[in-house]
Amino acid sequence: GAGVSQTPSNKVTEKGKYVELRCDPISGHTALYWYRQSLGQGPEFLIYFQGTGAADDSGLPNDRFFAVRPEGSVSTLKIQRTERGDSAVYLCASSLARTDTQYFGPGTRLTVL
Amino acid sequence: DAKTTQPPSMDCAEGRAANLPCNHSTISGNEYVYWYRQIHSQGPQYIIHGLKNNETNEMASLIITEDRKSSTLILPHATLRDTAVYYCIVRVISTNAGKSTFGDGTTLTVKP
Repeated sequence: GAGVSQTPSNKVTEKGKYVELRCDPISGHTALYWYRQSLGQGPEFLIYFQGTGAADDSGLPNDRFFAVRPEGSVSTLKIQRTERGDSAVYLCASSLARTDTQYFGPGTRLTVL
Repeated sequence: DAKTTQPPSMDCAEGRAANLPCNHSTISGNEYVYWYRQIHSQGPQYIIHGLKNNETNEMASLIITEDRKSSTLILPHATLRDTAVYYCIVRVISTNAGKSTFGDGTTLTVKP
């Protein structure tokens, strides 16, 4: 079946701009996770949703980062006033329930010039 | 979640078994051991997980020591396509479960 999909695959933006990254989880998966991965490092947790609500947003670095999942399926990660330090690969994962295995998407590579 | 320690890199000859170690000495009784791998420019791929018994699937085997303080991922016949970064993580499986905490993993290079 279809896995987790993320769009766009690559995003180049200028410092100070606003970006939105989209994640389509595996159909029927209730839990959805966002991670950020810098070059040479493992993924770093940002936020996770159980259904429509953010169950844990402790990994969001500051208030420029925000994520939504209004209908409990697709999620959008929003970054305001982007900075060069936001450049990274943003990964999305989903699981059937919060206790189940997480399956990752291919990621969105964000470059802030 | 408990912290894991992995060697930064390992080499393996093609066709031989690759044995990737992981230390998780502070693991709790309700934490599972998960293994993922990440091939360049792709998202992490789930491999296998276990609690205390050894596990095997079509990709690999997972050997967990009796005290659960360490584990070994075994790729029985490594191929060049197994070259990747391998991550060992421990994750609580409970109603409070959520995020996974990744370290920097082991870069496995399979050589012809």
